[in-house]
Amino acid sequence: AQSVSQHNHHVILSEAASLELGCNYSYGGTVNLFWYVQYPGQHLQLLLKYFSGDPLVKGIKGFEAEFIKSKFSFNLRKPSVQWSDTAEYFCAVNARGNNRLAFGKGNQVVVIP
Amino acid sequence: DADVTQTPRNRITKTGKRIMLECSQTKGHDRMYWYRQDPGLGLRLIYYSFDVKDINKGEISDGYSVSRQAQAKFSLSLESAIPNQTALYFCATRTGLGDNEQFFGPGTRLTVL
Repeated sequence: AQSVSQHNHHVILSEAASLELGCNYSYGGTVNLFWYVQYPGQHLQLLLKYFSGDPLVKGIKGFEAEFIKSKFSFNLRKPSVQWSDTAEYFCAVNARGNNRLAFGKGNQVVVIP
Repeated sequence: DADVTQTPRNRITKTGKRIMLECSQTKGHDRMYWYRQDPGLGLRLIYYSFDVKDINKGEISDGYSVSRQAQAKFSLSLESAIPNQTALYFCATRTGLGDNEQFFGPGTRLTVL
């Protein structure tokens, strides 16, 4: 079964700081990978996804993520955060041929102005 | 107009009551999902459906039932609500093709007293 690990559930940082959120999954086969963001009081929105090709994926709002197959990781990064990046971030994994997404427990990120 | 809608958006009920949460989508997607979100636990899958005649249990289906009345509608029922079903409930949809990106509704906040 697929499982997803996200560490450091609560992250607090200042504006202009760099952000990196880790995501590791346990599944040996081919995967699709996603990062979703949930702004306060809102639903989940897709930040970026990896399906195939270039393992460095660029998403909306200056976010990017790198798929490292050997490490079973798909870490999310942003070089310089803004107050508006305050949100909860979820990594999700889908094993090819499986119709379900497995979600991590999320990272609550607070950016202090 | 939103592609995935949920009603009600907020509901407070008492233990033992029957509750139905509704989800509608205009995306024309075949596949629909119900999740619950709890703080620190991420999203957990309750039920999912690939078409009107197809219903599948997710990770945490006990205490819940679903009905896929039409391709565009997928309802979640709590036959006899209990306090530990207090959570944020999300509906999601996806096509049967592609990379399994799911599109989420705005959520229903349910409180069981």
